[in-house]
Amino acid sequence: ETGVTQSPTHLIKTRGQQVTLRCSSQSGHNTVSWYQQALGQGPQFIFQYYREEENGRGNFPPRFSGLQFPNYSSELNVNALELDDSALYLCASRSPWDRELFFGEGSRLTVL
Amino acid sequence: KNQVEQSPQSLIILEGKNCTLQCNYTVSPFSNLRWYKQDTGRGPVSLTIMTFSENTKSNGRYTATLDADTKQSSLHITASQLSDSASYICVVSNNDMRFGAGTRLTVKP
Repeated sequence: ETGVTQSPTHLIKTRGQQVTLRCSSQSGHNTVSWYQQALGQGPQFIFQYYREEENGRGNFPPRFSGLQFPNYSSELNVNALELDDSALYLCASRSPWDRELFFGEGSRLTVL
Repeated sequence: KNQVEQSPQSLIILEGKNCTLQCNYTVSPFSNLRWYKQDTGRGPVSLTIMTFSENTKSNGRYTATLDADTKQSSLHITASQLSDSASYICVVSNNDMRFGAGTRLTVKP
């Protein structure tokens, strides 16, 4: 167990809908990053939050947005869902003193 | 072109055998290289982290090597077990993290 929890574990949406995925980071970890992993591929970096501010972003459109809360938990929001958004969404947290990333088990999103 | 290339894409070995997975990268400069194990449908779990000045790191039956001059890393698994069946992902970090597509390892009895 990494201490990083994600919810929901699975969900199904239709094209055009919006989705919110949630992540609780490991205690003391103030940096949270989100990744999209398509089937058979490696994770792709979406963005990172540090102390409630986005401080890094990958090559994803603005309809992918996020939040980090004072307790360092985080949300990933995706608007106007497309079929290609179907993937495993992973959250990872890190402490300020450690290079190690701890991943959650992911949220499996299916867009129909 | 991905900046982190892994080979082979998939590999099948018999239980008890050794194997070596490869990672070539073009990310430069880089601060560290990591190997993760990812079971199907689960989150990745860290195996090793190496900085550019380290050329080998072990974690039980897993040994990672790094040649920063040729920008190559390998992950060697000794005496494989059925539970080693998973995807193994190489990640190279600079200002951000670049993930390889992974090698899918299947260990058969």
